[in-house]
Amino acid sequence: AQSVAQPEDQVNVAEGNPLTVKCTYSVSGNPYLFWYVQYPNRGLQFLLKYITGDNLVKGSYGFEAEFNKSQTSFHLKKPSALVSDSALYFCAVRTPGGSQGNLIFGKGTKLSVKP
Amino acid sequence: EAQVTQNPRYLITVTGKKLTVTCSQNMNHEYMSWYRQDPGLGLRQIYYSMNVEVTDKGDVPEGYKVSRKEKRNFPLILESPSPNQTSLYFCASRTIAGEPYEQYFGPGTRLTVT
Repeated sequence: AQSVAQPEDQVNVAEGNPLTVKCTYSVSGNPYLFWYVQYPNRGLQFLLKYITGDNLVKGSYGFEAEFNKSQTSFHLKKPSALVSDSALYFCAVRTPGGSQGNLIFGKGTKLSVKP
Repeated sequence: EAQVTQNPRYLITVTGKKLTVTCSQNMNHEYMSWYRQDPGLGLRQIYYSMNVEVTDKGDVPEGYKVSRKEKRNFPLILESPSPNQTSLYFCASRTIAGEPYEQYFGPGTRLTVT
């Protein structure tokens, strides 16, 4: 069965420091991987995705993520955090093909960036 | 503007009183889905639809119904709501042509059942 794990419920970072939000996955076959962000009282917004090709994927708002097949990880990163990055971040996975193509979400990681 | 809309945004109701949460998208997407978000559990899929008149259960379908009579609309129906259905609900849509594309989410509906 497919699954996604976000091992940290919360990540605290000082503004200007690099940030990493961790995600590991378990799927059979090659995965499609996604990161979404949820700001307070808002719906989820797409940040970036990995489908194939370059393991480093760049997305919105200066975020990037690195796909590591051997470690089955897809960690979200940003070189310099902003207070406005504070939000709830979700990693999601689905496998290509098939009739369903449903996303499986992790439980979310709350990112708190302090001035 | 491309968007997914949900109504109402907030709803407080009593146990057993039937309710419907509407979802509409203006992007001509084939795929639509409903999720509930609960603290510590992330998003769990309730129902999804691959196209008009095609719906299927997600991970937590008990107590919910859906219909897909038109491509743009995908209402979520709670025929006899119970307090354990108090949650934050999201509708989402995406195209299935030229996969894989990201999903677009509505703003959410916060439901409280007393």
